[in-house]
Amino acid sequence: NAGVTQTPKFRILKIGQSMTLQCTQDMNHNYMYWYRQDPGMGLKLIYYSVGAGITDKGEVPNGYNVSRSTTEDFPLRLELAAPSQTSVYFCASSYHQTGKNQPQHFGDGTRLSIL
Amino acid sequence: QQPVQSPQAVILREGEDAVINCSSSKALYSVHWYRQKHGEAPVFLMILLKGGEQKGHEKISASFNEKKQQSSLYLTASQLSYSGTYFCGTEVGSQGNLIFGKGTKLSVKP
Repeated sequence: NAGVTQTPKFRILKIGQSMTLQCTQDMNHNYMYWYRQDPGMGLKLIYYSVGAGITDKGEVPNGYNVSRSTTEDFPLRLELAAPSQTSVYFCASSYHQTGKNQPQHFGDGTRLSIL
Repeated sequence: QQPVQSPQAVILREGEDAVINCSSSKALYSVHWYRQKHGEAPVFLMILLKGGEQKGHEKISASFNEKKQQSSLYLTASQLSYSGTYFCGTEVGSQGNLIFGKGTKLSVKP
């Protein structure tokens, strides 16, 4: 199994450009997450999804959009790139059921620079 | 709401022990621990549920004191491979979402 796959691995954007970070998982997990990681700040939750067609905001959603049309895919969209969005982005997935905690599995990350 | 990890960084010699703490201001349902090596994705270590259980993974174990809203990660007889940044992720209610601490950077020297 591939687990969680993110593309691209690296990207440089100009201010004001838009792009989509792709994330797909093959573990049939119901929950999926997008995090950003800035140096020394830990992982901040941007958006998450509890299943196909259902998404919700995390701690730092401004400037981002998501969709979840299938169980496998959870793309993250940046509409108007700003320098503050320079970061490493991680997608993760887990199987969640109330009362049963399962670990989150992370993709390898997308390193995004906005200049 | 972000859990507080301490210490921020620690340097060990091979074979030494270390303790990493994670404290929250909110009542917790569970605590997750992850390790991240430089330039790589976080890797799951263990989950602790409320009830004060202690879990182990190789020579790494952890405890969870729900009354104090604290969890501690114990690394015994550290190995070079233990180097990395350790994150705790806290879950408030059984929602599935985690809030991560800022991390503790562990360096193990020969």
